[in-house]
Amino acid sequence: SQKIEQNSEALNIQEGKTATLTCNYTNYSPAYLQWYRQDPGRGPVFLLLIRENEKEKRKERLKVTFDTTLKQSLFHITASQPADSATYLCALDQAAGNKLTFGGGTRVLVKP
Amino acid sequence: DTGVSQDPRHKITKRGQNVTFRCDPISEHNRLYWYRQTLGQGPEFLTYFQNEAQLEKSRLLSDRFSAERPKGSFSTLEIQRTEQGDSAMYLCASSLAASGVRNEQYFGPGTRLTVT
Repeated sequence: SQKIEQNSEALNIQEGKTATLTCNYTNYSPAYLQWYRQDPGRGPVFLLLIRENEKEKRKERLKVTFDTTLKQSLFHITASQPADSATYLCALDQAAGNKLTFGGGTRVLVKP
Repeated sequence: DTGVSQDPRHKITKRGQNVTFRCDPISEHNRLYWYRQTLGQGPEFLTYFQNEAQLEKSRLLSDRFSAERPKGSFSTLEIQRTEQGDSAMYLCASSLAASGVRNEQYFGPGTRLTVT
């Protein structure tokens, strides 16, 4: 069966450290993978998109890797800040229609 | 504000009643999506439109659910004979589909439905 797994346990991290989140998938062949941030009571907000032929993508303090052999994406927040506290969702984009299939999300709590 | 808007933000209804939600996408976006999200889960795809054409519906979308996007602008999602299991956040998103370009989706704030 198809699965997208993100760590369901919250990630507690000290301000200034790097947070690393994982997204593993099985029985999918996504052409693209997207990461979103969601705050309580709000819709997801787009952060980064990475293509299957890209190994790594960066945007400011964010870095995403995409390993289609391992079927895994890693999402890093460097020099984390309390304002980074939110739930982070990975989403597989399987080309047809650009519809997204989301993982369950990982909650990140950055403590000052 | 030129983002995606949804109305209402909250809806409480009794089981068996019909409800309708509205989504206004970003004006130049040609694709519009509906997702459903329950507590602690990621959004689940329901359906999407390219302009006014509904191109895909999830198997999650029972025949009690119907969506429209007349004239390719705003969209409505109607749930008939609501059940308690329909309680969720209903999210709308829009994107600009262009040949050879992969774009992100912009989400609205959602409509939280509670069926009592």
